[in-house]
Amino acid sequence: DAKTTQPPSMDCAEGRAANLPCNHSTISGNEYVYWYRQIHSQGPQYIIHGLKNNETNEMASLIITEDRKSSTLILPHATLRDTAVYYCIVRVEDYGQNFVFGPGTRLSVLP
Amino acid sequence: GAGVSQSPSNKVTEKGKDVELRCDPISGHTALYWYRQRLGQGLEFLIYFQGNSAPDKSGLPSDRFSAERTGESVSTLTIQRTQQEDSAVYLCASSWKSSSYNEQFFGPGTRLTVL
Repeated sequence: DAKTTQPPSMDCAEGRAANLPCNHSTISGNEYVYWYRQIHSQGPQYIIHGLKNNETNEMASLIITEDRKSSTLILPHATLRDTAVYYCIVRVEDYGQNFVFGPGTRLSVLP
Repeated sequence: GAGVSQSPSNKVTEKGKDVELRCDPISGHTALYWYRQRLGQGLEFLIYFQGNSAPDKSGLPSDRFSAERTGESVSTLTIQRTQQEDSAVYLCASSWKSSSYNEQFFGPGTRLTVL
């Protein structure tokens, strides 16, 4: 039970913003939203995480709805190298907890 | 500094043989995780080590799977009497105990093919 729902695939034109949605309607108050991505043949890579406030780093922005039941990962200017599977995960901030990865969203950035 | 490393990167074996997969976590990381990823699927948790505590083995799919970790360093995942359904990429991740958000750093994985 991955606790999250994501579209299986999305396309995005190179240079445009990629907006990847995630539903987590059963999220608990102490669960964070994490995003990882996995480029072909590589291990997953951390992107960003948040609890309830919107977050931004050098890779992406994370927008979490006020009710926290959904979120959107934004890659502001997608490049071909952003083609990957993107995983949205919810979990408590307990370092002993493993991540439950669902099937994710396969993002294809098109030239 | 060096990231998580895994060896071998690829392993082809015959059904029924035993295999050992190795993970070298980032130095200083006290937590270590093993995951399995079958073709086209998400990651499946296998086992978790934290320091000298008893490992969380709740994700191991059968008693053919076992793992060991030496202190807070190298870990070995062993699969005995391999089956074709064991074919997958096996990923190792490590994290800091004191990390405020427990980012897990993943290795490149070992691709296991059981013929």
